[in-house]
Amino acid sequence: EAGVAQSPRYKIIEKRQSVAFWCNPISGHATLYWYQQILGQGPKLLIQFQNNGVVDDSQLPKDRFSAERLKGVDSTLKIQPAKLEDSAVYLCASSFDSGRETQYFGPGTRLLVL
Amino acid sequence: GENVEQHPSTLSVQEGDSAVIKCTYSDSASNYFPWYKQELGKRPQLIIDIRSNVGEKKDQRIAVTLNKTAKHFSLHITETQPEDSAVYFCAAYGSSNTGKLIFGQGTTLQVKP
Repeated sequence: EAGVAQSPRYKIIEKRQSVAFWCNPISGHATLYWYQQILGQGPKLLIQFQNNGVVDDSQLPKDRFSAERLKGVDSTLKIQPAKLEDSAVYLCASSFDSGRETQYFGPGTRLLVL
Repeated sequence: GENVEQHPSTLSVQEGDSAVIKCTYSDSASNYFPWYKQELGKRPQLIIDIRSNVGEKKDQRIAVTLNKTAKHFSLHITETQPEDSAVYFCAAYGSSNTGKLIFGQGTTLQVKP
């Protein structure tokens, strides 16, 4: 089966600019996650969707980050305006359902903010 | 809040030796513990997982043990090979049923040929 797809793979922007990431989960997976992975650390959950509804966005910096999953399939994560500390890999993952289900990760988008 | 501590942060072993990575978690309600392997520049990939109704699980050269009383779980890799070199992350589900994974800080394993 096809895996989780993400684009772009790399992005370099200047601080205060905006950027958007796209994720296409595994077909049939109802739950989609966005993680931020700072160099040398484990992934940190930013937001979790169940179909097109938000389940958990407690660690999403809502003053600059936004995410949507309008039709319950693809998702976009946006940062506006970006800060230097946003430099990280943004990983998208999906699972068949929420709860104790295996999460499958995409290749990630590596963001560098200058 | 929910927390997962992972040790050591780096581990270097000779090919053929065993490697052990240990994690502790804070949420006593956690009941699912996956381990992910992440090679440089690649996505995290699930290598083994364990649920709280089981004390040990094995898959070829990889095994995971869980001690719920002490709230810690460990990854054991036997007969290590150079291709085992990667960053390994433990994780635990938080107490809610929504599937929020809390990751450890990662262990960089280097297997020397």
